[in-house]
Amino acid sequence: GDSVTQMEGPVTLSEEAFLTINCTYTATGYPSLFWYVQYPGEGLQLLLKATKADDKGSNKGFEATYRKETTSFHLEKGSVQVSDSAVYFCALAGAGSYQLTFGKGTKLSVIP
Amino acid sequence: DTAVSQTPKYLVTQMGNDKSIKCEQNLGHDTMYWYKQDSKKFLKIMFSYNNKELIINETVPNRFSPKSPDKAHLNLHINSLELGDSAVYFCASSSGDREKLLFGSGTQLSVL
Repeated sequence: GDSVTQMEGPVTLSEEAFLTINCTYTATGYPSLFWYVQYPGEGLQLLLKATKADDKGSNKGFEATYRKETTSFHLEKGSVQVSDSAVYFCALAGAGSYQLTFGKGTKLSVIP
Repeated sequence: DTAVSQTPKYLVTQMGNDKSIKCEQNLGHDTMYWYKQDSKKFLKIMFSYNNKELIINETVPNRFSPKSPDKAHLNLHINSLELGDSAVYFCASSSGDREKLLFGSGTQLSVL
């Protein structure tokens, strides 16, 4: 079945540091890929998405590129802020499916 | 405000009790979901309802029963609560477009 593997956390960075959170997936066909963010005490929010190979999703300074050859969708940001502290979830929706499969989440803490 | 709203936000109860969590969406979405997030932030789908019909029923104990009086509501009833049921439960909805999954803010259930 479909699965998502993302790097273990927690990740602690200083403000303005470069962020990478790795995500790889296993799925048949051509899934859509997502990053969701969960701020403390809140529900998940869609951060960005990509629906086909080589697509780049971007939002709020975050980027992720759909790499079919490496089955990856790594999340990056060039300069993190304290307000980016949250839990980040990589997810996929298999071709023809409306169900999302989530990774286990990576907690990011950004310190001033 | 258009949103997915769930109540209560916090629920503390004794083992063996029966409790319910309510969820409502005013977005006109056709599909609603319940997810469980454990203490390690792992998010797993429990149920999905499309136009009042159960279309996904992951392997969860039958003590958990979703009830959908109409397509705007999907309530979660839990009987004979156990310590292991302690988690955050998220309601979500979508229009059938998997790219537009919206989450409620969660209900933190603590079973003592």
